[in-house]
Amino acid sequence: AQSVTQLDSQVPVFEEAPVELRCNYSSSVSVYLFWYVQYPNQGLQLLLKYLSGSTLVESINGFEAEFNKSQTSFHLRKPSVHISDTAEYFCAVSSMDSSYKLIFGSGTRLLVRP
Amino acid sequence: NAGVTQTPKFRILKIGQSMTLQCTQDMNHNYMYWYRQDPGMGLKLIYYSVGAGITDKGEVPNGYNVSRSTTEDFPLRLELAAPSQTSVYFCASSYSMAVAGGGEQYFGPGTRLTVT
Repeated sequence: AQSVTQLDSQVPVFEEAPVELRCNYSSSVSVYLFWYVQYPNQGLQLLLKYLSGSTLVESINGFEAEFNKSQTSFHLRKPSVHISDTAEYFCAVSSMDSSYKLIFGSGTRLLVRP
Repeated sequence: NAGVTQTPKFRILKIGQSMTLQCTQDMNHNYMYWYRQDPGMGLKLIYYSVGAGITDKGEVPNGYNVSRSTTEDFPLRLELAAPSQTSVYFCASSYSMAVAGGGEQYFGPGTRLTVT
């Protein structure tokens, strides 16, 4: 079985500062990894995903995440955040032998202050 | 494309009542899912379906039922509502991972349910 841990329930940061949202997973088999974003009163949207290949993946709005197999991590980073990045961010994992079933972390609320 | 649509947006139920949450997708996805989201708990999978006529339990299926008679629709039925079912419910759909671009789940806007 897989599990996902997001240690930070809330991360406050000032606008234009860098941010890292941490995600660690456990699995006995190879995995696919995802970051989803949820804006207030909306459903989740995919931000980026790692399926295979390059361990560094990027989103269109400046976020990036790096798959680190040895540390079983998939941390999300952005070098300079905007007010509009305020949202809840969820890390999720699926196993390669059951790829359609996502296991979500408990979420990290990113609060960007002016 | 409308994507994944859910109705209703909000609902208040009394204990013991029943209701059906509707979910429809127009992307011809074969996989569909129901999740519940509780504060600070992330999303938990209730039921999922890998195609019309095929459903299976997720992590938290007790108190719920589903059916999948068509590719597009995946309703979630609550029988004998209980306060523990107060939550936000999300429906999602996806292609299988074997399909190019697969793996991404597309979510509906959610249904906020209160049981009192």
